[in-house]
Amino acid sequence: NAGVMQNPRHLVRRRGQEARLRCSPMKGHSHVYWYRQLPEEGLKFMVYLQKENIIDESGMPKERFSAEFPKEGPSILRIQQVVRGDSAAYFCASSPPLATRGETQYFGPGTRLLVL
Amino acid sequence: QQQVKQSPQSLIVQKGGISIINCAYENTAFDYFPWYQQFPGKGPALLIAIRPDVSEKKEGRFTISFNKSAKQFSLHIMDSQPGDSATYFCAAFVGGNKLTFGGGTRVLVKP
Repeated sequence: NAGVMQNPRHLVRRRGQEARLRCSPMKGHSHVYWYRQLPEEGLKFMVYLQKENIIDESGMPKERFSAEFPKEGPSILRIQQVVRGDSAAYFCASSPPLATRGETQYFGPGTRLLVL
Repeated sequence: QQQVKQSPQSLIVQKGGISIINCAYENTAFDYFPWYQQFPGKGPALLIAIRPDVSEKKEGRFTISFNKSAKQFSLHIMDSQPGDSATYFCAAFVGGNKLTFGGGTRVLVKP
């Protein structure tokens, strides 16, 4: 049973370009979360999605960032017009359909985004 | 407040020693407190967790102590091994499936 998969593992973008980060949850999981980890800091919640729905986006920056989890395919975190401050590790986690507790969140290996 | 404060930022311990990491929280609505272990280049992995109705939980060499009145909890790693060298994060959870993480503690176990 494969774990949470994220790609790419490393992504380099120049300022102003777009970054697309993908997350495939564990088999049978329908809840997806995105977290951002700045260097030497803890993880910060960004957004919580279920299939075709954004449940909580309270941690998402108001501009340039968007997320989706379509009926088919992976969840996508999209960052438009990237700036150097977007450089970070972005982690995706998934949990089963009836999850209500943090212990059921399984993390992927992350995507390291570097903005030049 | 949704903050969780973690200390120390880093610690060095000799093989066989005890590593102690402390966390404090403000939001009394938090009702679940997991600890995560993260190795370089990897995602966080759940290590051990506790609920506020329990004062201590032990799993192998890892123990969580919880002080509800002080709003503090800590992780003890007994008989620390070089393979325990990693970054440890405490976290707190309240309804809504959103984890709030501490800033992390980088642990180095010297052989």
